[in-house]
This record gives sequence, C-alpha cells and structure tokens, in this order.
Amino acid sequence: DGGITQSPKYLFRKEGQNVTLSCEQNLNHDAMYWYRQDPGQGLRLIYYSQIVNDFQKGDIAEGYSVSREKKESFPLTVTSAQKNPTAFYLCASTLGAGRTEQYFGPGTRLTVT
Amino acid sequence: KQEVTQIPAALSVPEGENLVLNCSFTDSAIYNLQWFRQDPGKGLTSLLLIQSSQREQTSGRLNASLDKSSGRSTLYIAASQPGDSATYLCAVTGNFNKFYFGSGTKLNVKP
Repeated sequence: DGGITQSPKYLFRKEGQNVTLSCEQNLNHDAMYWYRQDPGQGLRLIYYSQIVNDFQKGDIAEGYSVSREKKESFPLTVTSAQKNPTAFYLCASTLGAGRTEQYFGPGTRLTVT
Repeated sequence: KQEVTQIPAALSVPEGENLVLNCSFTDSAIYNLQWFRQDPGKGLTSLLLIQSSQREQTSGRLNASLDKSSGRSTLYIAASQPGDSATYLCAVTGNFNKFYFGSGTKLNVKP
C-alpha cells in the first residue's frame, strides 16, 4: 500500500536535547512538507521541499532543521533552540508539478519536559 | 499573507441533520482548495479537492463549493451520522505550492 509513514508515534525528550522525526513516503511524490499543530489551532508550515536536495523555510522554521537527500525521506530535527517544541508534528506530500492534492502521515506527538 | 478562517469552531447536531461548514480566505489568488477530516490524534484525510476553475465537487454525502471571487468555500454534509464526528479543516494552495490551513470546525453528531 502506498502512503506516508511517520515514526515514532509518540516521542518524549528532555529539554535541551535535539530530536529527529522520521517521514518516509512511497508515493513517488516530489514535494514534501512538515507542519506543526497545536491544540485548537490549524497547521503551521515549518519546512517544505519541492525536490531532492532543496528545501525552503516555512512560517515557523526557527529552531528546526531538515534534509532531503532522498526523494522518499524528509526527516525533521527539532533542536534545543526551539522554545516550545511540545506539539503534534505532521508530514505531508504532493505529487508536484502542479498536482497539489496533499496526503498526510499519521503524525508524531512530541513531548519535551 | 493568506489568512484562512473557519466558522463555526465547533458544531453539535443530531444524527440525520444536513449541515454546512464554512471556510473563508483573504487572498483570492489560489490554485485550489482542499477539505480534510481529522480524527483525534490522527493525521489528515483528504475529502475533496476543488480546482480554482471549478465551482463544486461531490463525493458521496459530501459536497464542497468554491466561490473564489468572494473568498469562500462551504462543505455540505447530507444526512449526518455519528461516524462523521471529527474535525474538518480547509486549506488553500497559494504561490510556490504553499498551503494555508484554517483552524478547523469540530463536529459532533449525536446519535
């Protein structure tokens, strides 16, 4: 079955530690996205990548970093510089080239104490 | 910057009722609009995608309309069921394939 996988489902970290969230897709999509969702709020864009080895900052990129070395993978690192990292993180992808229907993974809930 | 608003924030209806969810956006220069469903603690599931050149899309009991010039979209759910209970989000696609989301409408359908 084609889709997007995110791991782990739940992640707990101590303040001051960096943590990497995994996102893998087997849809052969060119574009991938990372969003953050806080309770009662919509999704806010962290980073996106339209093509391998290229990515752009979204609206709330500070304290986060990404890489796009393979088409299938778009990992997100939450660094210790992120002031309030506890949130639900969602990865998405689109086919690209004007095909903009977004498909989402199941999400990772990160708790930092 | 594009702003997307969804009203109401929450809605509770008895089973069998027809209902309308609203989505408005401030910049009419969009490529398309997508409606999603989100169950608690889960990712988003795409319901309907309306291209900017289209006026509406239908899937089963769902019908979404788009009025780009006025910056509005509605999601109509016919004969609601308890299984429809979820949060419904709309998103518009702007330049550079960036997506802008509303904060959602939390729907509760009572048996």
